[in-house]
Amino acid sequence: AQSVSQHNHHVILSEAASLELGCNYSYGGTVNLFWYVQYPGQHLQLLLKYFSGDPLVKGIKGFEAEFIKSKFSFNLRKPSVQWSDTAEYFCAVNSDPYNNNDMRFGAGTRLTVKP
Amino acid sequence: DAMVIQNPRYQVTQFGKPVTLSCSQTLNHNVMYWYQQKSSQAPKLLFHYYDKDFNNEADTPDNFQSRRPNTSFCFLDIRSPGLGDAAMYLCATSRDLRGGGETQYFGPGTRLLVL
Repeated sequence: AQSVSQHNHHVILSEAASLELGCNYSYGGTVNLFWYVQYPGQHLQLLLKYFSGDPLVKGIKGFEAEFIKSKFSFNLRKPSVQWSDTAEYFCAVNSDPYNNNDMRFGAGTRLTVKP
Repeated sequence: DAMVIQNPRYQVTQFGKPVTLSCSQTLNHNVMYWYQQKSSQAPKLLFHYYDKDFNNEADTPDNFQSRRPNTSFCFLDIRSPGLGDAAMYLCATSRDLRGGGETQYFGPGTRLLVL
């Protein structure tokens, strides 16, 4: 069975620092990749996703992620974080390109941005 | 405006006492999902409905059942909750099942406590 690994459980940064959250998956076939974010007290919402085409995906709020197939990775980046980026970030992988019912989530990375 | 609504936000039940969690959506999406998320773990898919077709994950315990009486509503029934069933239960929807890259829209979750 496929698995999704998020390397860091908790990341603490100061405002304006650069961010990179790691995500690796184990499935060797075609995948669709997602990053979801959960702000404190709010529901999970989509940040960005990779479906096909350009492996560098740009999402909302200045986030981007790069799909590197050879490394089975889909790391999330932001050049300069803000206090409002404090949230939990979940990487998710769907290994079935034809159906949406094989979504696997990572355990999440909690990001704390200090003002 | 809320698109995926879960009630209640917090539910306390007794060991072995049946409990029902509710989810409704205003998106008119075809697919509704139920996830279980335990503390510091990834959301785990329990089952999903594609329209009226029910699809159970292979490792979902028999203790968990679901009903979808119409497009808008989906219920999670836990027949005999055990202490290990205490978790956050997330409802999500997607427009369709086919395509692999469908965005899932999440509700705020119901946190279940089993005494």
